[in-house]
Amino acid sequence: QQQVKQSPQSLIVQKGGISIINCAYENTAFDYFPWYQQFPGKGPALLIAIRPDVSEKKEGRFTISFNKSAKQFSLHIMDSQPGDSATYFCAARRRANNLFFGTGTRLTVIP
Amino acid sequence: KAGVTQTPRYLIKTRGQQVTLSCSPISGHRSVSWYQQTPGQGLQFLFEYFSETQRNKGNFPGRFSGRQFSNSRSEMNVSTLELGDSALYLCASSLVAGGEDTQYFGPGTRLTVL
Repeated sequence: QQQVKQSPQSLIVQKGGISIINCAYENTAFDYFPWYQQFPGKGPALLIAIRPDVSEKKEGRFTISFNKSAKQFSLHIMDSQPGDSATYFCAARRRANNLFFGTGTRLTVIP
Repeated sequence: KAGVTQTPRYLIKTRGQQVTLSCSPISGHRSVSWYQQTPGQGLQFLFEYFSETQRNKGNFPGRFSGRQFSNSRSEMNVSTLELGDSALYLCASSLVAGGEDTQYFGPGTRLTVL
């Protein structure tokens, strides 16, 4: 059973556009929601993370929006660049436990 | 500071064999977690070790096992390999246990089972 559901599976965006990736979860005990970025041949790297006491967190061109009542969170990449082309994973964790990952979104930014 | 290192990077085995993968965490990190990454399932948690003790385990059969040494280096072992074990195996280290802080991933070991 997938604890975190992620969509879309793949995404193609023009350079300068906005990339949006969505995730949903069921376990209300989750208290930490990170996003990871993975380039081919590399391990995932933490991009940005949020806790459920805030509805939005922004770091540069990357923003997490969090909707606690809907049990959904999303990653927005503003002004998408070809260098952002990678696979993105959302994840969730409940206190002192392991991370549960979504199945990933392959983002391609076209120049 | 050196990152998480995993050896070997690539491995080819045949069904029924066993395999041991190694992970060296970032210096000072005491927690090591292992994940299996496949195209269909994404990243799935295998187990976590902290101070040489397994503190958390995912939903994988007993063929998958691991251990951690006093220097925090960790190994995972898969016995009686099956075709479905073909995957990228990732290890991640963090300062403390339970994912309370950032997990740093290594580049992974690509295991192919023929």
